[in-house]
Amino acid sequence: SYELTQPPSVSLSPGQTARITCSGDALPKQYAYWYQQKPGQAPVLVMYKDTERPSGIPERFSGSASGTTVTLTISGVQEEDEADYYCQSVDSSATYHVFGTGTKVTVL
Amino acid sequence: EVQLVESGGGLVQSGRSLRLSCTVSGLTFGDRAINWVRQAPGKGLEWVGFIRSKVYGGTTEYNASVKGRFTISRDDSKSIVYLQMNSLQTEDTAVYYCQMYYYDSNNYPRDYWGQGTLVTVSS
Repeated sequence: SYELTQPPSVSLSPGQTARITCSGDALPKQYAYWYQQKPGQAPVLVMYKDTERPSGIPERFSGSASGTTVTLTISGVQEEDEADYYCQSVDSSATYHVFGTGTKVTVL
Repeated sequence: EVQLVESGGGLVQSGRSLRLSCTVSGLTFGDRAINWVRQAPGKGLEWVGFIRSKVYGGTTEYNASVKGRFTISRDDSKSIVYLQMNSLQTEDTAVYYCQMYYYDSNNYPRDYWGQGTLVTVSS
């Protein structure tokens, strides 16, 4: 089955830049989406179609894509950005959805 | 305001069945696909499956981990999507979310999630 791989955790201080990667074989052909999830809450979309930011999401969130890897960047991370982040995409047939393994961002 | 509300969760014994409902309000439901996503305690998100709108045949797709045991259906007259779960196993214990994602007339993404409903499968 298709998998998307993310680093388990990222720890940084306020004001630093967080880069969260997501790797998958179909990513050169399929868009990636990024979700932020805080404890006890439903996920929130923070990036769509690799690089597009939904309305209401701060400009410090950006996305990029290169080959089989997509990256969510949080520039000047704030304490409120502490959360779990998941990439999401579909397989090469565009039929089956998959979430990445998730990355816990800790702001120390 | 668009709202998705899941219901039907609870405690069930291994091997038994449970049906979850996702009630949608605030928009024309029949045009939209609906996903089911689950999250086991302390674990990541897992896509369960989805149902297309009737325009696209109302067909379904499932994660291999639930295929053959879970069935998604929809009643557009009631704006409800169902997740029928049979032969439940302890590893199906999770919070189950329904999700709707589409692009509006301005091509902006609209992403809506329910609050989730907890399913606990005991051995």
